[in-house]
Amino acid sequence: EPEVTQTPSHQVTQMGQEVILRCVPISNHLYFYWYRQILGQKVEFLVSFYNNEISEKSEIFDDQFSVERPDGSNFTLKIRSTKLEDSAMYFCASSEIGTGTGQETQYFGPGTRLLVL
Amino acid sequence: AQKITQTQPGMFVQEKEAVTLDCTYDTSDPSYGLFWYKQPSSGEMIFLIYQGSYDQQNATEGRYSLNFQKARKSANLVISASQLGDSAMYFCAMRDTGNQFYFGTGTSLTVIP
Repeated sequence: EPEVTQTPSHQVTQMGQEVILRCVPISNHLYFYWYRQILGQKVEFLVSFYNNEISEKSEIFDDQFSVERPDGSNFTLKIRSTKLEDSAMYFCASSEIGTGTGQETQYFGPGTRLLVL
Repeated sequence: AQKITQTQPGMFVQEKEAVTLDCTYDTSDPSYGLFWYKQPSSGEMIFLIYQGSYDQQNATEGRYSLNFQKARKSANLVISASQLGDSAMYFCAMRDTGNQFYFGTGTSLTVIP
């Protein structure tokens, strides 16, 4: 069964450093998403991406964040200058279409646990 | 304002019994989607069930069913015949017309043998 994959599974970085989190969405999916989950808290939407551009973003997704689809398979989240409060699990998700009847279901990757020291 | 409210931080259920996890939502969009996800201790998010706002019937997927009461804006998850492997966090989520997803704070379910 196709699945969303994410690398790395864990990342430790120093405050102020740049990190790139990588995701490979399900191959026939058209919409891609990033979420974060601070330890013990709820999942928070960051950004959605369609047709090579951002379609929605939350207030969390400020100028230190960027997303890119550098080739036909990868979808990346870059955090330019990490802060302590960026420590969280970051989930990538993809869906077949953005709205509709069940095909909008988002399938999540296993997550990347980011720790900023 | 909270878009998704899950009022039960923790629930216990006896193995083989049914359990209902509550979820209420807040939107004025006519078209929206409701989802339930399971998050085991390993951390991954597993899709369980989907309900569209225009669906006339309650969604069912195996032992999972969604009790959709549109007028009350509730979308409770019912798990029948609970198994030990059902112990996990359960998140209710909503997709609005703007294609943003909102998650609730989750309910921790523990299945007791």
